[in-house]
Amino acid sequence: DVKVTQSSRYLVKRTGEKVFLECVQDMDHENMFWYRQDPGLGLRLIYFSYDVKMKEKGDIPEGYSVSREKKERFSLILESASTNQTSMYLCASSWEGAGELFFGEGSRLTVL
Amino acid sequence: AQSVSQHNHHVILSEAASLELGCNYSYGGTVNLFWYVQYPGQHLQLLLKYFSGDPLVKGIKGFEAEFIKSKFSFNLRKPSVQWSDTAEYFCAVNALRGSNYQLIWGAGTKLIIKP
Repeated sequence: DVKVTQSSRYLVKRTGEKVFLECVQDMDHENMFWYRQDPGLGLRLIYFSYDVKMKEKGDIPEGYSVSREKKERFSLILESASTNQTSMYLCASSWEGAGELFFGEGSRLTVL
Repeated sequence: AQSVSQHNHHVILSEAASLELGCNYSYGGTVNLFWYVQYPGQHLQLLLKYFSGDPLVKGIKGFEAEFIKSKFSFNLRKPSVQWSDTAEYFCAVNALRGSNYQLIWGAGTKLIIKP
């Protein structure tokens, strides 16, 4: 089975702190994605990557950056966390851009 | 702009009732269509998908969906729901945006099944 592992299920940070969210997939997928999930808004794409060291902005990239140094690992970085970044963050991976996404269990971030 | 609309944000049904969750999309090109489900405390997982061929697709746990191209719809159905179907359901459409295909998501429908 495909496994997508997110490093932290729950985090509490203070405004202005730097936050790292890590995601690892074990199926040699080319594509990896970071979404945030908020009630009533569905999933919104923050960043995605189709290859190592490659990144593309999604719909809401402001306040976020990403890093993909290895194929299996895709990190989301909040340089200076703000309260409006309190959310559930979901990592996903897929074999091809148009295909099925496999999700991690999510990281619930609270920024105080 | 491309979008996916799910008609109901919350649906409450009794066990054994029939279910239909609506999904409409706005995109004129070739689409791949998906329904994902998120059970309480679990990760999002694929329920079913349509790429081509028979517009009536069957997924896991007795769910099915019908692609009606003329109506830009991909409604999810189940003839008799169970308490274990309580979950949030998301419709998604894979559409070409710029030079890449991306999933466009509906806002989700929270389904509560009363025992």
